[in-house]
Amino acid sequence: EAGVAQSPRYKIIEKRQSVAFWCNPISGHATLYWYQQILGQGPKLLIQFQNNGVVDDSQLPKDRFSAERLKGVDSTLKIQPAKLEDSAVYLCASSLGDRGREETQYFGPGTRLLVL
Amino acid sequence: AQSVTQLDSQVPVFEEAPVELRCNYSSSVSVYLFWYVQYPNQGLQLLLKYLSGSTLVESINGFEAEFNKSQTSFHLRKPSVHISDTAEYFCAVKGGKLIFGQGTELSVKP
Repeated sequence: EAGVAQSPRYKIIEKRQSVAFWCNPISGHATLYWYQQILGQGPKLLIQFQNNGVVDDSQLPKDRFSAERLKGVDSTLKIQPAKLEDSAVYLCASSLGDRGREETQYFGPGTRLLVL
Repeated sequence: AQSVTQLDSQVPVFEEAPVELRCNYSSSVSVYLFWYVQYPNQGLQLLLKYLSGSTLVESINGFEAEFNKSQTSFHLRKPSVHISDTAEYFCAVKGGKLIFGQGTELSVKP
C-alpha cells in the first residue's frame, strides 16, 4: 500500500513570495491533515479535512495560508505572502475517517520550507 | 484542552544500554496516547499506541510504553538500544485533535 505522498520535498523562497505544497493521501482515506513543524517543536495542526469539507482550521493563519481539497482526494496548501517565521516542515497526514478518536494518522515525508 | 510535556529534549545513550523517554500529559477528558518516531529527513511513523485495555503496549522493534493514569504518564522504554534507534521521538495525546510534545532526540553512540 502506497503511503502519503508530498511534493516538493524542499523549497527555498524569499519573503513575500508565494508557495504551494501538494499532498496525496493513502487511497481510501477520507480524512486529511496539514501540520506545521517548526524546528525543535512538535507538529501543530493547521487544518483538517473530512472528504472535501473543513473540520478544523482554527490554527490556520487565514490571512496568508489557504488550503483546499476540491475532489476529496489530494490537497494543496498555499502560503501567500510568505514570512520568515513560516520556515518549517509542512507535514501531510491521512486517516480512514471512520473511527473517531481511535483514528491512526499516517504521515508523509514532509516539505521543508526555508524563507529567506 | 490537552497538553503534552516531554521531559527531556535530548537523551544520549550508548549502544545496548537501556533507555527511557519520559512523557507526561494533562487532559480534562479521557485520551488516547501515541508515540511517533521521526528519522532524519523523514516523516513521522507510528511506533505504538494506547487506546484501551492493557496499560502496557509494545512495538515490533522492542519498544514498550506503559500508560499510568494516576501519574498521567506514558513513558517509552527499550531494554537495549541500537544505533539505528537514533531519531526524534514524539509523544502525542488525542482527546479531540492530536497534540504533540516537543520531541526527544535519542542519540545512540557506539
